[in-house]
Amino acid sequence: AQSVTQPDIHITVSEGASLELRCNYSYGATPYLFWYVQSPGQGLQLLLKYFSGDTLVQGIKGFEAEFKRSQSSFNLRKPSVHWSDAAEYFCAVGGMDSSYKLIFGSGTRLLVRP
Amino acid sequence: DAGVTQSPTHLIKTRGQHVTLRCSPISGHKSVSWYQQVLGQGPQFIFQYYEKEERGRGNFPDRFSARQFPNYSSELNVNALLLGDSALYLCASSSQETQYFGPGTRLLVL
Repeated sequence: AQSVTQPDIHITVSEGASLELRCNYSYGATPYLFWYVQSPGQGLQLLLKYFSGDTLVQGIKGFEAEFKRSQSSFNLRKPSVHWSDAAEYFCAVGGMDSSYKLIFGSGTRLLVRP
Repeated sequence: DAGVTQSPTHLIKTRGQHVTLRCSPISGHKSVSWYQQVLGQGPQFIFQYYEKEERGRGNFPDRFSARQFPNYSSELNVNALLLGDSALYLCASSSQETQYFGPGTRLLVL
């Protein structure tokens, strides 16, 4: 079955601290992986994506993610969190075999302490 | 460039009514997908249309229907509304592998 697991419902970090949000996926074919961010009451903004090639991908707002096929993971990282990063983060998987429809995780809410 | 636009932004309906939500994709994008996001959960796939043809349907009842127009805009229709249909409805447009989302329509069913 195709699925995405984000094991952390909430994460709280201090401003300036580093951040890692976890994402594990189950997908039968070659996965296309995405991270989206959602501010309260807003739509989803694409942070970054992985299709193939270099397993470390860079995104907007200083975020990066690393694809680890052996662990079926695609964790999101940021070296120094800003207060404006407080939001909900969603990991998603799709692929050519499913016409690129996305399967989302349940999200991780990031809180930033001043 | 304009992003994905959706209308209306908010909507309040009562049980049993029907609703139509609208979406305009990014210029040049021929595919539109619809997702339902219930409070506290990730978005769930409802429909995908490409070149006016339904390409995929998620696990939603027949009360949900959609269509895509020649200009690639799309409508999502929901009949016989239930309380559980209260959610944020997101539209996404894509040219190929990447979906770009609109701001959503928040539907409240009373």
